Amino acid sequence: DAGVTQSPTHLIKTRGQQVTLRCSPISGHKSVSWYQQVLGQGPQFIFQYYEKEERGRGNFPDRFSARQFPNYSSELNVNALLLGDSALYLCASSLLGPRAEQFFGPGTRLTVL
Amino acid sequence: KQEVTQIPAALSVPEGENLVLNCSFTDSAIYNLQWFRQDPGKGLTSLLLIQSSQREQTSGRLNASLDKSSGRSTLYIAASQPGDSATYLCAVIGSGGGADGLTFGKGTHLIIQP
Repeated sequence: DAGVTQSPTHLIKTRGQQVTLRCSPISGHKSVSWYQQVLGQGPQFIFQYYEKEERGRGNFPDRFSARQFPNYSSELNVNALLLGDSALYLCASSLLGPRAEQFFGPGTRLTVL
Repeated sequence: KQEVTQIPAALSVPEGENLVLNCSFTDSAIYNLQWFRQDPGKGLTSLLLIQSSQREQTSGRLNASLDKSSGRSTLYIAASQPGDSATYLCAVIGSGGGADGLTFGKGTHLIIQP
């Protein structure tokens, strides 16, 4: 079975632009979470969706938004990009909801110039 | 607010040694603890998950223990190999419903010398 997939792999944007990152969970998984990992740090929680509803939100500004589709895939949107948004964005899925074992995708490397 | 600390930040050992990575967390009200491996520039690979009611979990050469009351977990790697070189991350999820997601430490960067 395929694992969690994310697209694109790499992305370069300039300050002020908007970006959309995509995630497809493992087949059968209904929970998707998003994390931001800056170099040298552990991932930081951004959002969690379960059964297409937002179930949790981390300490990120309103420039960050997300949604989950009927097929349980998800998009993360970031508006008005700042240099500090440069990071590896990771998506994780789980079978039984937010507290179950999390399986991560390969990530999207975002560089903001 | 939950905080997770991993010690040491970096470790370099010769091949074949047994080693222990440490993880501590400030709030003992956790639902589970998960250990991950991350290769440079890559995503996270789940290694072991320990439920709050469990004391340890084993997978191959890996053994993870959990002492929830003292806020500590250890990851034991037996007979280390160069392929074990990676960053190892510890993460906890709270028992309050999981709406805060996983809280991660900064990781231990492990190098196994051939």
